[in-house]
Amino acid sequence: DGGITQSPKYLFRKEGQNVTLSCEQNLNHDAMYWYRQDPGQGLRLIYYSQIVNDFQKGDIAEGYSVSREKKESFPLTVTSAQKNPTAFYLCASSFGGPPSYEQYFGPGTRLTVT
Amino acid sequence: KQEVTQIPAALSVPEGENLVLNCSFTDSAIYNLQWFRQDPGKGLTSLLLIQSSQREQTSGRLNASLDKSSGRSTLYIAASQPGDSATYLCAVEYGSSNTGKLIFGQGTTLQVKP
Repeated sequence: DGGITQSPKYLFRKEGQNVTLSCEQNLNHDAMYWYRQDPGQGLRLIYYSQIVNDFQKGDIAEGYSVSREKKESFPLTVTSAQKNPTAFYLCASSFGGPPSYEQYFGPGTRLTVT
Repeated sequence: KQEVTQIPAALSVPEGENLVLNCSFTDSAIYNLQWFRQDPGKGLTSLLLIQSSQREQTSGRLNASLDKSSGRSTLYIAASQPGDSATYLCAVEYGSSNTGKLIFGQGTTLQVKP
């Protein structure tokens, strides 16, 4: 089955610790994205990558870091510098061009930092 | 500032009713507009994508329209069913070329009562 996987589904961390969220896709998509969703809010873009070994900051990149060493993988690290890390994190991917611009989403990781 | 607004935030209708969800955007220079569905605690499912040059897209009981001059899109759901209950999100990619950067509205939470 083709799709996007995110692990783990739930993640708990103590304040001051860095944590890495996994995102893998087997859709042969070139572009990948990380979003954050807070209760009752729409999604906000953290980072995105249109090709391997290249990525750009989104609207709320402060306190986050990413890497794109493989086409299939786009891990997100939430650092201790992120002031309000508790949120629902969603990864997405797309062809970024023909045959489709649609973004497809993973199931999400709910991060709780106490 | 490029924004996306969805009104109302919540909507409750009886089963079988036809309904319209609204999405407005602040800049007519958009690349595409995408409608998503989100079930509680889950990722997003892409419903329809409308390119800038298109006026509408249809999939089953769903029809999405785009009016760039007025900065509006509507998602029409025919013969609503309890299974349609979910949050519907509108997202806009602004600009004249593909960047993949989506700006999301806050969503409309739909409840269809049996």
